[in-house]
Amino acid sequence: AQRVTQPEKLLSVFKGAPVELKCNYSYSGSPELFWYVQYSRQRLQLLLRHISRESIKGFTADLNKGETSFHLKKPFAQEEDSAMYYCALSEGGNTPLVFGKGTRLSVIA
Amino acid sequence: DAGVIQSPRHEVTEMGQEVTLRCKPISGHNSLFWYRQTMMRGLELLIYFNNNVPIDDSGMPEDRFSAKMPNASFSTLKIQPSEPRDSAVYFCASSFTSYEQYFGPGTRLTVT
Repeated sequence: AQRVTQPEKLLSVFKGAPVELKCNYSYSGSPELFWYVQYSRQRLQLLLRHISRESIKGFTADLNKGETSFHLKKPFAQEEDSAMYYCALSEGGNTPLVFGKGTRLSVIA
Repeated sequence: DAGVIQSPRHEVTEMGQEVTLRCKPISGHNSLFWYRQTMMRGLELLIYFNNNVPIDDSGMPEDRFSAKMPNASFSTLKIQPSEPRDSAVYFCASSFTSYEQYFGPGTRLTVT
């Protein structure tokens, strides 16, 4: 069965400190992995996807198939990074997303 | 572009009443997804459509739930009769490719 696990419900870091939001998945195949973010009073939106191998707002995420992980990282946290972050996977194509339960990141000034 | 539009944004109803949630996807998108978010279970898929055709409704919890997509620009999710355990935030999302789903603002449903 497809499953996404985000072990931390809440992560608090100081401004300028490194951030790592953990995500592990279980899937029999080659899934597509995503990070979605929801800022206060805004819609859920795509942050980044593993196939693009891009850095968005300073965030990166590397897919580790051996460890079935897709952790989200940023070297220096900013206050505007405070938000709810969801890791998700799909089978590819226009198929539904399976979400983790989310991690709330709080960046303290 | 206003993005995905959902209405109403908030709905408070009494147990046993019928509830209809509405979604207008982004023009040109050919896939539409209904998700439900609760504290206990997080975000879960209820049903999705490709080219207006329901593909997977295995997430619909009971026969009380039904969804339609009569055309490419409109979908409804109906709960009849509603129960307190249906209280949740219901999201609609649309997509054209596998790269990104665009979410609506959600409908917060409270059933008393």
